[in-house]
Amino acid sequence: AQSVTQLGSHVSVSEGALVLLRCNYSSSVPPYLFWYVQYPNQGLQLLLKYTTGATLVKGINGFEAEFKKSETSFHLTKPSAHMSDAAEYFCAVSGAGTSYGKLTFGQGTILTVHP
Amino acid sequence: GAVVSQHPSWVICKSGTSVKIECRSLDFQATTMFWYRQFPKQSLMLMATSNEGSKATYEQGVEKDKFLINHASLTLSTLTVTSAHPEDSSFYICSARDGPTEAFFGQGTRLTVV
Repeated sequence: AQSVTQLGSHVSVSEGALVLLRCNYSSSVPPYLFWYVQYPNQGLQLLLKYTTGATLVKGINGFEAEFKKSETSFHLTKPSAHMSDAAEYFCAVSGAGTSYGKLTFGQGTILTVHP
Repeated sequence: GAVVSQHPSWVICKSGTSVKIECRSLDFQATTMFWYRQFPKQSLMLMATSNEGSKATYEQGVEKDKFLINHASLTLSTLTVTSAHPEDSSFYICSARDGPTEAFFGQGTRLTVV
């Protein structure tokens, strides 16, 4: 069984400030981890994913996340927020092999960016 | 990345009618597709796993007789919401798996039942 917990349903930052969105997971198998962004009334866009290998993953638009097995975490960061980053972000977990792509999502975090 | 096309993008239907949503992988073959549902201001929940040439696997609590899934070819899966009711109004989104470590989402379908 797998689950994802995103700490904070709403995060507000100033433009240019650090963005930190928290994600903790639970998985009985080695996890594959994902961050997606969703703009209003749109589908999902993949920001980054961790499958195997390097634990620090760099994604699009300056985002990165670090897989920490000991903490069961996969927090998303961006050094400097832009107004265009305002959206809802989802962390998700999947298994490997035939379970790959079968995603369990967190509750989502709405990011607001203030000028 | 590869492209997954979902059609229609939005649909309004009358209560009691059926609606079909298509999910196509445009430039790859997908033996496995997934259907998710997202209620307003909520997260996405997996409804079912669609496997080409076999019956779909539904998640607990999802009515298989209401949400009919057909995956008749390697590039097309369809979700039919039968006898739709207002509580079925939601955002439905599919994803298609391309190989062991890639999966791509469609753009989603907004269903409103009136």
